[in-house]
Amino acid sequence: GQSLEQPSEVTAVEGAIVQINCTYQTSGFYGLSWYQQHDGGAPTFLSYNALDGLEETGRFSSFLSRSDSYGYLLLQELQMKDSASYFCAVSRDDKIIFGKGTRLHILP
Amino acid sequence: SQTIHQWPATLVQPVGSPLSLECTVEGTSNPNLYWYRQAAGRGLQLLFYSVGIGQISSEVPQNLSASRPQDRQFILSSKKLLLSDSGFYLCAASRGGEKLFFGSGTQLSVL
Repeated sequence: GQSLEQPSEVTAVEGAIVQINCTYQTSGFYGLSWYQQHDGGAPTFLSYNALDGLEETGRFSSFLSRSDSYGYLLLQELQMKDSASYFCAVSRDDKIIFGKGTRLHILP
Repeated sequence: SQTIHQWPATLVQPVGSPLSLECTVEGTSNPNLYWYRQAAGRGLQLLFYSVGIGQISSEVPQNLSASRPQDRQFILSSKKLLLSDSGFYLCAASRGGEKLFFGSGTQLSVL
């Protein structure tokens, strides 16, 4: 089977940097992706890592280490609008399995 | 780009009643299609996925079923709803497993 672990909540200050970690256990791993979900809305895609290393997209970066079955999402220059839930997800064959999500609280 | 149409936005149904949620996709052909359910404040549980017309894979045994009668149409059904079927239902599409596009979701309340 597959399992993903990520912290349930993280708190950070506006303008700061925050890292959300994700560890996974799965066979036939293809890639790790990240999604953002605001309250009442649908998840939206942020990033995808198939290979080891860092992928940068504006204020957001995502990292993957396949040997450690570990990845993280890095959010820089935090803004109040970044308050949301963040999900990591693993792709295996045609299945995409999500973690339970990390609620990001941002303090002014 | 892909657009996922999902309706209705909210639905209140009595226990034991049937259910049919429809999802249609625009802007791509031969997508992989997915149904997820999300309980309040929880993660996304994969219910069904489909890689082609008539091909359905079930992840969680329950009283729900899915069908894909056309390439860009995905339907979630139940003959008799249970209280535990309440939740936020999301349809999603992908071309290769790298990126999911989600519909706006259906909030189902079973009373």
